Amino acid sequence: AQKVTQAQTEISVVEKEDVTLDCVYETRDTTYYLFWYKQPPSGELVFLIRRNSFDEQNEISGRYSWNFQKSTSSFNFTITASQVVDSAVYFCALSEALDSGYALNFGKGTSLLVTP
Amino acid sequence: DAEITQSPRHKITETGRQVTLACHQTWNHNNMFWYRQDLGHGLRLIHYSYGVQDTNKGEVSDGYSVSRSNTEDLPLTLESAASSQTSVYFCASSESVGFSYNEQFFGPGTRLTVL
Repeated sequence: AQKVTQAQTEISVVEKEDVTLDCVYETRDTTYYLFWYKQPPSGELVFLIRRNSFDEQNEISGRYSWNFQKSTSSFNFTITASQVVDSAVYFCALSEALDSGYALNFGKGTSLLVTP
Repeated sequence: DAEITQSPRHKITETGRQVTLACHQTWNHNNMFWYRQDLGHGLRLIHYSYGVQDTNKGEVSDGYSVSRSNTEDLPLTLESAASSQTSVYFCASSESVGFSYNEQFFGPGTRLTVL
């Protein structure tokens, strides 16, 4: 069965600190995709990144970076120089192949609080 | 701009009543999904559809039904609302391009309270 584990339930950091959110997954699929979503206090879900299983290059987008390591089944997310606006719940998700397509299997989320 | 909308945004109902939550997307996506979000559980898949007249059960489908009569809409019906169905419900859609697992775009959510 597909499984996504976000072991950190809550993280609290002070502004400008770097923070890493962990994501470990289990899958039997040879081709799969991993995603990160952000859910700010307003409640909407915002897509951050998609990574396929054949591309292990790290990705950087501004202060955000992602480290995909197939050997350890991890897809960790780092925020550099955190800001108060980064406070949100972050979800890691794994594509799950279904009969006619796919769905997303979400982790339980990590709540990040960045204080001034 | 294309978008995905949900209505109502907030709903309070009583146990046993039938409730329908609307989801409308203008992305022209074939794939549409319903999830529920509960504290400690993340998002769990209720139903999904890969096109008109196609519907499928997800992980937590008991007590829910969907129908897909056009590309834009996937209404979610609670046949007889129960207190355990108090939750935040999210609708999502994604584009089908071969077997590429594209990102899903989410609606703003509907907060449902069953008393």
